[in-house]
Amino acid sequence: DAGVIQSPRHEVTEMGQEVTLRCKPISGHDYLFWYRQTMMRGLELLIYFNNNVPIDDSGMPEDRFSAKMPNASFSTLKIQPSEPRDSAVYFCASSLRTGGWSTEAFFGQGTRLTVV
Amino acid sequence: AQTVTQSQPEMSVQEAETVTLSCTYDTSESDYYLFWYKQPPSRQMILVIRQEAYKQQNATENRFSVNFQKAAKSFSLKISDSQLGDAAMYFCAFQGGSEKLVFGKGTKLTVNP
Repeated sequence: DAGVIQSPRHEVTEMGQEVTLRCKPISGHDYLFWYRQTMMRGLELLIYFNNNVPIDDSGMPEDRFSAKMPNASFSTLKIQPSEPRDSAVYFCASSLRTGGWSTEAFFGQGTRLTVV
Repeated sequence: AQTVTQSQPEMSVQEAETVTLSCTYDTSESDYYLFWYKQPPSRQMILVIRQEAYKQQNATENRFSVNFQKAAKSFSLKISDSQLGDAAMYFCAFQGGSEKLVFGKGTKLTVNP
């Protein structure tokens, strides 16, 4: 397996524009996590899914952020409209829970977002 | 809500020496997992070691070992025979029954030659 795949690796956009980040989890994994990493706040959990269903979105900063998982192999994180304070590295991770045992989370390479 | 605290923003160690990174957490659950992840400058998150809370024995992975004190809610990472390649950010993480995976703010480790 190629691991968790995120695209794009880097994104530069202007304030007010819509940004869509993409993630392909490891095949067979049933949990998917979206994190935001900044120097000030560290790694913040934004939202996570189980079997494509959002379980906890309490970390989503505001209504400008939305996430979807239309199927087991794809998820998106959208920011509309984007603001300079959204500049960060966004990580996607996936894991598998089976029979009460959980694997560790495997992370993608992250998307570095810069909003100017 | 679970919280994870890493009280050391930065640590440094001489090559070949031993260093311990601290982590405490807060939870009311009895069954959970704890992890240490390493993030080198490439920003890839790499699992270093994991510990299941029901296991009393401390996990070890080659030069990496943990000191898990469940009653104290403490989970420290010891790196023995430090190498230049160990220089990175280290994150402690907690995962409970809901599978929610929460991270501490990280400790930046510098290894001096």
